[in-house]
Order: sequence, then C-alpha cells, then structure tokens
Amino acid sequence: GENVEQHPSTLSVQEGDSAVIKCTYSDSASNYFPWYKQELGKGPQLIIDIRSNVGEKKDQRIAVTLNKTAKHFSLHITETQPEDSAVYFCAASPYTDKLIFGTGTRLQVFP
Amino acid sequence: DAGITQSPRHKVTETGTPVTLRCHQTENHRYMYWYRQDPGHGLRLIHYSYGVKDTDKGEVSDGYSVSRSKTEDFLLTLESATSSQTSVYFCAIPGNTGELFFGEGSRLTVL
Repeated sequence: GENVEQHPSTLSVQEGDSAVIKCTYSDSASNYFPWYKQELGKGPQLIIDIRSNVGEKKDQRIAVTLNKTAKHFSLHITETQPEDSAVYFCAASPYTDKLIFGTGTRLQVFP
Repeated sequence: DAGITQSPRHKVTETGTPVTLRCHQTENHRYMYWYRQDPGHGLRLIHYSYGVKDTDKGEVSDGYSVSRSKTEDFLLTLESATSSQTSVYFCAIPGNTGELFFGEGSRLTVL
C-alpha cells in the first residue's frame, strides 16, 4: 500500500524566513496531494492541495511543488509569521476517498 | 466549516472498559472516517463508512468496531479499551474535491 514519509519532524525558523517541508510517497498511482495545518487542540485543516497533472500551485505565501518522477512533493511557506506555527501534515491519495498521511512537521516561527 | 461534531471531546477510562465515540455530521455525506493521531505516526485510518450500514477497515482497525445506523452518525467503539488505544481520535468527511474536513477531535486516555 501507499507509504508517505515526511521530513523534517521539527523545523524552527525566524520570522520572515522561508520554511520548506518535504514528503515522499511510494505508490505511483497516487494522484492527489493535500497539505493540512493543525493548530493546538484543533483538527487538521486543508491549506493547499495539488493534483498529479500540475507541477506547482501557489496561494499567497504558500506553495506546493510536485515531482511525479521522483515521487516527492514539498510545501513552501515564504515570509513566515508567528501564526504559521503549527503542525503540518502531507498526504497522498492512491485512490478516491482514501488519504495516507505523513507523520507531521512541527513548525515554530520565532519573532 | 463543515458540520462535524464529535463527542465526548475528552474521556478518561480504565483498561478493559467499553468506550464509544460519536461523530455527527450535518452535511448528509455518504462517506465518514475515523482516524487516530499519535506522535510519530501522524493520522492513521481506523475504519470508514461509505453509507448506512456499509463500513470497511482501515490500516489500524484491530480492537475497534464501528456502526452507522443513520447517515448523520458514525460511532467508534472500543469493546475493551487498552492503554495502547490512548490517543486523539478524529472523525472526517470528504469535501467536493477529495479533501477531508476533520472534527475537533476526541482525546481518550486509558489508564
């Protein structure tokens, strides 16, 4: 079955710097790759997603890139702010209605 | 926000006791999911439902059962709780483009 690896597990950056979180997946049939942000005591919330027919997608300060050949995708956050501090999860979908999640990255943005 | 509510939000119980967690949705969606979240493991699928009385196992289903007697409610039962089932449990329903909407979570502690 699908396996998703996520790195790093923790990431500390200075406010204003960029943050990059990387994920790899194993099942070449996966075609949907969402990213979720989870704040303390809350459920994960979708922040951006990408499908296999697209290489990059941006939404203001966040972007996701996908390399299907290498089976990896990344989340990029530019101009980080303290409110970006949270746990971020990547996921891959090998088929409809089934998501396999990475193990999460705790991002800390220091003022 | 998607209309998902989980109950109870917090529960402490003893080993060997039965526990039922409830997920209620107001979106009339056919699919509903139960995940557990543990440090170092991310989110792992326990069971899911694709309709009333239609359920299937996820990757960590041992020790759990589910029931779906009506569209809006999806129950997760631990017949005899063990300490390894101490976790945060999330219910989710899908959106229109493959993403998942999560509830606020139910924190279960098994002593």
